[in-house]
Amino acid sequence: ELKVEQNPLFLSMQEGKNYTIYCNYSTTSDRLYWYRQDPGKSLESLFVLLSNGAVKQEGRLMASLDTKARLSTLHITAAVHDLSATYFCVLGSNFGNEKLTFGTGTRLTIIP
Amino acid sequence: KAGVTQTPRYLIKTRGQQVTLSCSPISGHRSVSWYQQTPGQGLQFLFEYFSETQRNKGNFPGRFSGRQFSNSRSEMNVSTLELGDSALYLCASSLRPRGETQYFGPGTRLLVL
Repeated sequence: ELKVEQNPLFLSMQEGKNYTIYCNYSTTSDRLYWYRQDPGKSLESLFVLLSNGAVKQEGRLMASLDTKARLSTLHITAAVHDLSATYFCVLGSNFGNEKLTFGTGTRLTIIP
Repeated sequence: KAGVTQTPRYLIKTRGQQVTLSCSPISGHRSVSWYQQTPGQGLQFLFEYFSETQRNKGNFPGRFSGRQFSNSRSEMNVSTLELGDSALYLCASSLRPRGETQYFGPGTRLLVL
């Protein structure tokens, strides 16, 4: 069974600090996504990572992928309040369809 | 370009009833997937449709069904509702079934009493 595990599940951090969310997955996949969800809202696509060593950055967020270690990270630099949300690591399917498997999510709270 | 739309946004039903949720994908997108989000189980895959064909189904009972129309719009139906079906139901669309980022709609929040 495909498993996607994120840690931490909850994260409170002060504005201006850096932190990393980790995502481990149990089987190979040729793509990994990061999504963001604000409370009571839908999911917003942040990044799609397609190959080993892929790194993508958008503003204060940077995502990376190590397919050999089956690990993806989402790094937050100099956090600001607007980044408070739940972040999901999501694995695509290898079986010719597009069933997404979601991680547990990391609820990030940025404290002023 | 309009995003994914879902109707209704909120719904209250009682046990034993049935419900139909609707999803209109982004214009030009032909693949539609459905997900259930609950506090206990997180986000779980329900179905995927492409060209009016169900290509994949998650581990949900037969009470959950869906279909896709020729204009790519999709509906999902839940019959004989149970309390545990209370959830946020999210629809996502993409250009093609595989290798494309899925764009999510705002969801339908279903409460079963």
